[in-house]
Amino acid sequence: QKEVEQDPGPLSVPEGAIVSLNCTYSNSAFQYFMWYRQYSRKGPELLMYTYSSGNKEDGRFTAQVDKSSKYISLFIRDSQPSDSATYLCAMSAWTGTASKLTFGTGTRLQVTL
Amino acid sequence: DSGVTQTPKHLITATGQRVTLRCSPRSGDLSVYWYQQSLDQGLQFLIQYYNGEERAKGNILERFSAQQFPDLHSELNLSSLELGDSALYFCASSAPTDTQYFGPGTRLTVL
Repeated sequence: QKEVEQDPGPLSVPEGAIVSLNCTYSNSAFQYFMWYRQYSRKGPELLMYTYSSGNKEDGRFTAQVDKSSKYISLFIRDSQPSDSATYLCAMSAWTGTASKLTFGTGTRLQVTL
Repeated sequence: DSGVTQTPKHLITATGQRVTLRCSPRSGDLSVYWYQQSLDQGLQFLIQYYNGEERAKGNILERFSAQQFPDLHSELNLSSLELGDSALYFCASSAPTDTQYFGPGTRLTVL
């Protein structure tokens, strides 16, 4: 079993839709949770970073963490064609000087006009 | 722009050859991480350096090695290259209690 599970998609939605992306994890030591956006053949770009259960909002993006269920989500409101990308969840357990990230496999999102 | 730079952007080489990929972290970041991303796989963690010392190792092949220099830039050396080594190689950097910021990557093609 992988430490982090993420539905690979692809997920296709019309412009303006609300998108929900999800990851589950099995390692209870994970303390930090991130969402990265990766456009084709580009470096992953950090979107959201949180370390507590609950919701964190940034513009059209909301990250949700439920540590009791080992489940994280990213919601995108009013989705735009420019949101078309692969979204990667990532998690880490801080160990002093090492914060190795464990990534999900990524969900490919396509927002259509 | 994340502040992490990687060179070269593209590299085409032949099987059996050796290449060196270079990464400069964000100003002030002491940690550097290397990842491999193939078409059929996600981001695979290779190795981490913190202030010149190796801190964590992932699925890095013995043919691959890395180092971090006193000016904190890092190099990933790939030797005896095989077709299957063709991939995107990303470098990321972080401050001690911060998350990782990725560079634009080096696309390696082994022919």
